[in-house]
Amino acid sequence: DVKVTQSSRYLVKRTGEKVFLECVQDMDHENMFWYRQDPGLGLRLIYFSYDVKMKEKGDIPEGYSVSREKKERFSLILESASTNQTSMYLCASSLGGNSNQPQHFGDGTRLSIL
Amino acid sequence: GENVEQHPSTLSVQEGDSAVIKCTYSDSASNYFPWYKQELGKRPQLIIDIRSNVGEKKDQRIAVTLNKTAKHFSLHITETQPEDSAVYFCAAFSGNTGKLIFGQGTTLQVKP
Repeated sequence: DVKVTQSSRYLVKRTGEKVFLECVQDMDHENMFWYRQDPGLGLRLIYFSYDVKMKEKGDIPEGYSVSREKKERFSLILESASTNQTSMYLCASSLGGNSNQPQHFGDGTRLSIL
Repeated sequence: GENVEQHPSTLSVQEGDSAVIKCTYSDSASNYFPWYKQELGKRPQLIIDIRSNVGEKKDQRIAVTLNKTAKHFSLHITETQPEDSAVYFCAAFSGNTGKLIFGQGTTLQVKP
């Protein structure tokens, strides 16, 4: 069974801090994704990666960056956290060279920026 | 840009009744349509998916239909049970952007 693990379930940070959200998958998946989930807006793609050291902007990349130094790990970075980045963040992974494959999600990190 | 519209946003049914959730997509090159169920406080879980070369797919009480001409697809749950209560998300893989686009979600409540 695919296991996608996010480092924290709950996180509280202050405005202006640099925040790191970590995600690890154990199924040797090529693709990894970061979404944020807000009520009434569904899941919106922030960044994704099809391979190590590769990254692509999603629909809402502003204020975020990512790092994929190893195949199993995909990190989301909030360079200078702001209150409008308070949200649920979901990491996902999938097989294959594109996202036309089932995505498997982690449990999510509920991030609050004060 | 590409988008997916999902309706209704909330749905309340009596146990044993059927529930239908509908989605429309804008990218005619979309070829993969998964449905996810998210229980309160838990991760989204894939419950069924369909590809564009198939018109209908069924798995026990759950079925999905796809109308490529009209660019819409639907989730059907029969004989609903209280444990079906959750938020359901549809999604469409955009062939133009290479991204999975999600609908806004439907909160389904099954009353015992």
